[in-house]
Amino acid sequence: EIVMTQSPATLSVSPGERATLSCRASQSGSDNLVAWYQQKPGQAPRLLIYGASTRATGIPARFSGSGSGTEFSLTISSLQSEDFAVYYCQQYNKWPLTFGGGTKVEIK
Amino acid sequence: EVQLLESGGGLIQPGGSLRLSCAASGFTFSTSAMSWVRQAPGKGLEWVSSISATANVKYYADSVKGRFSMSRDNSKNTLYLQMNSLRADDTAIYYCAKGSPHNGALMDAWGQGTTVTVS
Repeated sequence: EIVMTQSPATLSVSPGERATLSCRASQSGSDNLVAWYQQKPGQAPRLLIYGASTRATGIPARFSGSGSGTEFSLTISSLQSEDFAVYYCQQYNKWPLTFGGGTKVEIK
Repeated sequence: EVQLLESGGGLIQPGGSLRLSCAASGFTFSTSAMSWVRQAPGKGLEWVSSISATANVKYYADSVKGRFSMSRDNSKNTLYLQMNSLRADDTAIYYCAKGSPHNGALMDAWGQGTTVTVS
């Protein structure tokens, strides 16, 4: 099983600032099959990024993903009020599919 | 617009059974892989099971293997999760998710979830 480890667990950021979230995979896979999801309280997760760096339909350009091999990151260039949420990375390269434990982005 | 509507959750005693349903609309259900993902109270996301478009391939997490069974009825655009021998640690919100056309294991749309409480 590929273990996905996210850091930090909580990130305190002021609106307008940049946030960088990290995700490490225990194994390297082909084609960088890593996705990022956003989840707000009481809501279902929403796909933000797939293939490590491709934005999903309708996702603002302030969200960007990067990385390869075992190290991946999600950057929010200028945090808006609606971006304060929990973010999960997920690998879909091998079964079982696995998620990271999440990073909560909170208002500083 | 893709819509996924889960139902069938509720309060069930340990050892009991439940069947969850997910009614899909707004996309071609019969050509889409589908998945179930759960979230225990205050916890992160846990993948449960996935099924191919024609139901000939199914995958299960070790935590549910032998107890849960995933199926689909493409004529009704509906996905199912049969859950048997339920345990307290199965308590969670259960989400159904649609697989991307490019890679069925990528979950590109999610329902709002149905809550299962085992107690």
